[in-house]
Amino acid sequence: GENVEQHPSTLSVQEGDSAVIKCTYSDSASNYFPWYKQELGKRPQLIIDIRSNVGEKKDQRIAVTLNKTAKHFSLHITETQPEDSAVYFCAAYSNYQLIWGAGTKLIIKP
Amino acid sequence: GAGVSQTPSNKVTEKGKYVELRCDPISGHTALYWYRQSLGQGPEFLIYFQGTGAADDSGLPNDRFFAVRPEGSVSTLKIQRTERGDSAVYLCASSLGGGNEQFFGPGTRLTVL
Repeated sequence: GENVEQHPSTLSVQEGDSAVIKCTYSDSASNYFPWYKQELGKRPQLIIDIRSNVGEKKDQRIAVTLNKTAKHFSLHITETQPEDSAVYFCAAYSNYQLIWGAGTKLIIKP
Repeated sequence: GAGVSQTPSNKVTEKGKYVELRCDPISGHTALYWYRQSLGQGPEFLIYFQGTGAADDSGLPNDRFFAVRPEGSVSTLKIQRTERGDSAVYLCASSLGGGNEQFFGPGTRLTVL
């Protein structure tokens, strides 16, 4: 079955700098890759997603890149702000399931 | 429009008791998912419904866990003979179909004493 690995587990960046979170997946049939943001005590919320027929997608300060050959995808956040502090999860859709990474705790230092 | 709702928001029960957790998906969403999330971890898949049928229940940890969706809308997750290890936040999500954005409910925090 699908396996998703996410790195790093914790990422601390200075406010205004960029943050990059990386994920790898194992099932080459996976075709949908969402990223969710979860603030403490709240539900996960989708921030961006990408399908396997696209290599990159951008939405304001957030971008996701997908390398199907290498089976990895990354989340890029530019000009980080305090409200970006949260846990970020990547996921890969395979066999009707979303398989989730373990999460990255993003800390924005003022 | 209304999002996914879950009741109760919190449930405290004693070891060995039976509990039911309810999920009301977004109207028109045919796919419904149940997840379990422990502190500091990502959501763990439990079961997926497409319409009324459980398309994939491979994530249910054992036969104490059961879920239904009799009319293809509201779903109930049922846990028999609860154990302390069942304590977690149970999340429900719905989507227009598999492979689409999943919208999450606020979760039910289950505490088994």
